[in-house]
Amino acid sequence: DAKTTQPPSMDCAEGRAANLPCNHSTISGNEYVYWYRQIHSQGPQYIIHGLKNNETNEMASLIITEDRKSSTLILPHATLRDTAVYYCIVRVAWLKPLVFGKGTRLSVIA
Amino acid sequence: DTAVSQTPKYLVTQMGNDKSIKCEQNLGHDTMYWYKQDSKKFLKIMFSYNNKELIINETVPNRFSPKSPDKAHLNLHINSLELGDSAVYFCASSQEGNTEAFFGQGTRLTVV
Repeated sequence: DAKTTQPPSMDCAEGRAANLPCNHSTISGNEYVYWYRQIHSQGPQYIIHGLKNNETNEMASLIITEDRKSSTLILPHATLRDTAVYYCIVRVAWLKPLVFGKGTRLSVIA
Repeated sequence: DTAVSQTPKYLVTQMGNDKSIKCEQNLGHDTMYWYKQDSKKFLKIMFSYNNKELIINETVPNRFSPKSPDKAHLNLHINSLELGDSAVYFCASSQEGNTEAFFGQGTRLTVV
């Protein structure tokens, strides 16, 4: 699976959009981009995933660049409960387990 | 109902003991995993089971032995516990064709 690079930490004001970047320059054509988050020692939680097109669900939006070498997770209105470590993961198939990197620690500030 | 449940949530034990952690999922998934999160917060895959068959063993010491009695359960047995085994262990499950994995709440193992 391709390697991902994320900033180690970010801050965001409560109520503002949180934009979390991820670089995956070696991604191959059949690899998906996944985002998970881990809130203070809880189990990781799935957020969203995509292949080429931008995706949106009730939690977040995922913007993937046309060349697929980077992506951005957008939390449209961050709340204090969104404070967590966010992991960007590139993965070929469902059968392969998720490989977690260091992630980005997002702190939402009141 | 909890989708993926682990027991116990906390486990404190002495070096050299043998202990087990249990995991159950009620989602009807056919694939289950064990992950270890150490003190530096790195999450590492340990084992992956599909339909009760071991498909991935990521260079884990053979003191760790997973057991899957059925598709809904994946237990982790650890022999001769060492200080370095102290960590949080997460169980997870997913379904073929479905890309979302569900994680349990974790078991914090402390070896003293």
